[in-house]
Amino acid sequence: DIVMTQSPDSLPVSLGERATINCKSSQSVLYSSNNKSYLAWYQHKPGQPPKLLIYWASTRESGVPDRFTGSGSGTDFTLTISSLQAEDVAVYYCQQHFSFPFTFGPGTKVDIK
Amino acid sequence: EVQLAESGGGLVQPGGSLRLSCAASAFTLTSYAMSWVRQAPGKGLEWVSTISVSGDSTYYADSVKGRFTISRDNSKNTLYLQMNSLRAEDTALYYCAKLTSASCYGAFHIWGQGTVVTVSS
Repeated sequence: DIVMTQSPDSLPVSLGERATINCKSSQSVLYSSNNKSYLAWYQHKPGQPPKLLIYWASTRESGVPDRFTGSGSGTDFTLTISSLQAEDVAVYYCQQHFSFPFTFGPGTKVDIK
Repeated sequence: EVQLAESGGGLVQPGGSLRLSCAASAFTLTSYAMSWVRQAPGKGLEWVSTISVSGDSTYYADSVKGRFTISRDNSKNTLYLQMNSLRAEDTALYYCAKLTSASCYGAFHIWGQGTVVTVSS
C-alpha cells in the first residue's frame, strides 16, 4: 500500500499570509504513459463533506479560487494557499488515486494565527 | 445542481448488517465510477470501496474486504454499500463520492453529505 504523510500536522497562519502544506507518498504516483501524478487535495470543514480542490497534483477543480495551487510530481507534493482567507480554515488532506487501496494523508489543520 | 444523497445509516449491533444507498441527482450515474469513503469519529478520511461504471470491477479496503459489497443500479441512478458482519471499528460517517471520470482512478469529485453508521451493543 502507498503510505501518505503530510506536514505539518497543524498550521497557524495570519490572514493574508501564505500557507504551505507538504505531502509525500511512499511510492511514486506518477503514471508514465500520461506523465500525470495521481495526487488530489481536499478541503474539509466541520459539518460539511470534503471538497475537491486539486487533482493530478496541479489541476485546479472548477470554481476553486486561484489562491489554491498544487505542485509537485512523483512522490513530493505541495498545496499552497497564497493569501489565507478566513473561509480557508479547514483540514486539508492529500490522497493518492494512483493505485488501490487509495490512501489519504493524515490531514493538516489550517487555522488563523 | 449535481448532488448525492446517502441514506440507510443507523445504530446496529456488532455482527449485524446495514445497506447504505446513495441517490444521484442532476447527473447520470452511468457515466462515472463511484466510491464510498468513511470518517470515524475524530479520525481522518478512509477510502472504503470503488466500483466501475459497468459494475464489473470492484475494489475494497482490506479492512472491509469480504464483509462489504459495493453495487450500483444505473437504472435507478443509485449506488449501494451492503455492510455485513459489522464491527465497532466500522462506526463512522459514510460518504458516497462521484469520481472525476469513468475511470476508477479518478479523484473524488462530488461528495454526499454522509450517513452515520454506529455499531454498538
